[in-house]
Amino acid sequence: AQSVSQHNHHVILSEAASLELGCNYSYGGTVNLFWYVQYPGQHLQLLLKYFSGDPLVKGIKGFEAEFIKSKFSFNLRKPSVQWSDTAEYFCAVILPFSGGYNKLIFGAGTRLAVHP
Amino acid sequence: NAGVTQTPKFQVLKTGQSMTLQCAQDMNHEYMSWYRQDPGMGLRLIHYSVGAGITDQGEVPNGYNVSRSTTEDFPLRLLSAAPSQTSVYFCASSRGTGGSGNTIYFGEGSWLTVV
Repeated sequence: AQSVSQHNHHVILSEAASLELGCNYSYGGTVNLFWYVQYPGQHLQLLLKYFSGDPLVKGIKGFEAEFIKSKFSFNLRKPSVQWSDTAEYFCAVILPFSGGYNKLIFGAGTRLAVHP
Repeated sequence: NAGVTQTPKFQVLKTGQSMTLQCAQDMNHEYMSWYRQDPGMGLRLIHYSVGAGITDQGEVPNGYNVSRSTTEDFPLRLLSAAPSQTSVYFCASSRGTGGSGNTIYFGEGSWLTVV
């Protein structure tokens, strides 16, 4: 079945630590990939997206992600996290659905807590 | 430019009551969808629409109805609310059905509690 897996459900880091959140998807065709962030009490915001081209994608707030097709992965990274990065992070993939349409499938999310 | 607007933001229902979550977008997007967000499960697709008059079921459609009479509006109806429908609901829209260049815009969410 088509799915998106996020390996870590909860991550706790100190400020200035480096961050890497894993995301794998199970689909052999062309995919479009996203990372969304949800700050406490707020709605989803797009961090970055990959459609084609350079597999290293830079997003907002110093985040980047690398698409590795051979590993079906799209991991999110940030060299130095801040307390304000405390949020829940969702990986998402556009996959084919019934009737020839596409749908956006989300991973279960990773809750990141950054301590000062 | 309002983007995607959802109402209400918060709602408490009694079991068995019906209600409609409203979603409107002002970007002339063809594709609209409803998701529910539950802890540890990410967002799951309830229903989606690829244009006025065209709707289809997503991953978790049971207990929900939708219609798309105009391009702008995509209401989600709970016919007989159940506690299992306590969740946060997000409406989303995009120019196409997803793919290269299509950014997906989300509403701010509707927090629904069924008691």
